[in-house]
Amino acid sequence: DSGVTQTPKHLITATGQRVTLRCSPRSGDLSVYWYQQSLDQGLQFLIQYYNGEERAKGNILERFSAQQFPDLHSELNLSSLELGDSALYFCASSLRTGGTSTDTQYFGPGTRLTVL
Amino acid sequence: GDSVTQMEGPVTLSEEAFLTINCTYTATGYPSLFWYVQYPGEGLQLLLKATKADDKGSNKGFEATYRKETTSFHLEKGSVQVSDSAVYFCALSDPGNFNKFYFGSGTKLNVKP
Repeated sequence: DSGVTQTPKHLITATGQRVTLRCSPRSGDLSVYWYQQSLDQGLQFLIQYYNGEERAKGNILERFSAQQFPDLHSELNLSSLELGDSALYFCASSLRTGGTSTDTQYFGPGTRLTVL
Repeated sequence: GDSVTQMEGPVTLSEEAFLTINCTYTATGYPSLFWYVQYPGEGLQLLLKATKADDKGSNKGFEATYRKETTSFHLEKGSVQVSDSAVYFCALSDPGNFNKFYFGSGTKLNVKP
């Protein structure tokens, strides 16, 4: 158990809908990262937050947005869903956000999103 | 920019065989290197890491050495077990770039009894 929790575990929805995925980082971790894992594209970095502020963006679509709240949990919002958005969405957390040393990222169990 | 390249799978081995999964990287700074493992239906788990050149990471019989001269971080295990069947991801992190991680495409390992 990494200490990172994600809910829900599974989500089935229809095209055009909007969903929210939730992540709680490990106790004490300030950074949260979101990744998308699909069968044909491997693990894609979406976005990173540190202590409530956005720090880095990856291949995140404009239909997707995220935020990190004062209690450090994070939510990933996916809107106008398309069939191609079906994937595993992972959240990871780390203590810091880099600087002079590297932090290990600890991953949650993921949310499997199926868009029908 | 930073990137990671790892050997394509699947890799199929018999139990007790020797395992090598190749990983090479490109980085502009001084990255740390990681191997993560993903068992079926689960999230990624940290397997081992190395934070500077010539460091060796090890865990559960797996080893990898950070080779700056060849920009490599190959994963090895002397005797694999059926329970090692999983997908293995090589990754690098650049602390000068907000600890952003770059993952390889993953290598699926199948170990047969």
